[in-house]
Amino acid sequence: AQSVSQHNHHVILSEAASLELGCNYSYGGTVNLFWYVQYPGQHLQLLLKYFSGDPLVKGIKGFEAEFIKSKFSFNLRKPSVQWSDTAEYFCAVRKLTGGGNKLTFGTGTQLKVEL
Amino acid sequence: DAMVIQNPRYQVTQFGKPVTLSCSQTLNHNVMYWYQQKSSQAPKLLFHYYDKDFNNEADTPDNFQSRRPNTSFCFLDIRSPGLGDAAMYLCATSTRDTQTEKLFFGSGTQLSVL
Repeated sequence: AQSVSQHNHHVILSEAASLELGCNYSYGGTVNLFWYVQYPGQHLQLLLKYFSGDPLVKGIKGFEAEFIKSKFSFNLRKPSVQWSDTAEYFCAVRKLTGGGNKLTFGTGTQLKVEL
Repeated sequence: DAMVIQNPRYQVTQFGKPVTLSCSQTLNHNVMYWYQQKSSQAPKLLFHYYDKDFNNEADTPDNFQSRRPNTSFCFLDIRSPGLGDAAMYLCATSTRDTQTEKLFFGSGTQLSVL
């Protein structure tokens, strides 16, 4: 079965530190890749997505993610985090063959940014 | 402005007492989803609708049912809630266009079962 792994469940950083959150998936076919973010008390919202083309994608608020096909990875990065980035981050994968519009989510990474 | 609205925000029910969660959308999207998210776990898809076509996930318990009377509304019915059904239930919508598709989520309904 397709699975999405996020290895870091809780991350604590100081402001201005660099961030990298790992995401790996197990499906070998063509996929769409997403990062969703959930700020405290808010709903899940899209941070960025990869469908095709340049494997380095840029999203909102200075986030970016790199798709490395050979590693089945789609890690999220930000050079300098802010206190307002405190949130839970979910990686999600949609397979394009036989998957319909179904997204499979990772378990999430809770990021806390301290002042 | 909320585009996917879930009511209520918190729902408490008794063990075995049927409960219905509601979701409405103002986006006119074709696809609507129900996800279940338990604490520290990934959101898990229960079922989704392409327009009126219902798609059940293979491992969704029979205890969970859904209705979509029109484009705007979708309901999740739990016929006999058990303690293990306590979770956050997320409704989401999307278009069918795979090139632009992203999910729009509601704020969720936190279900407690006593």
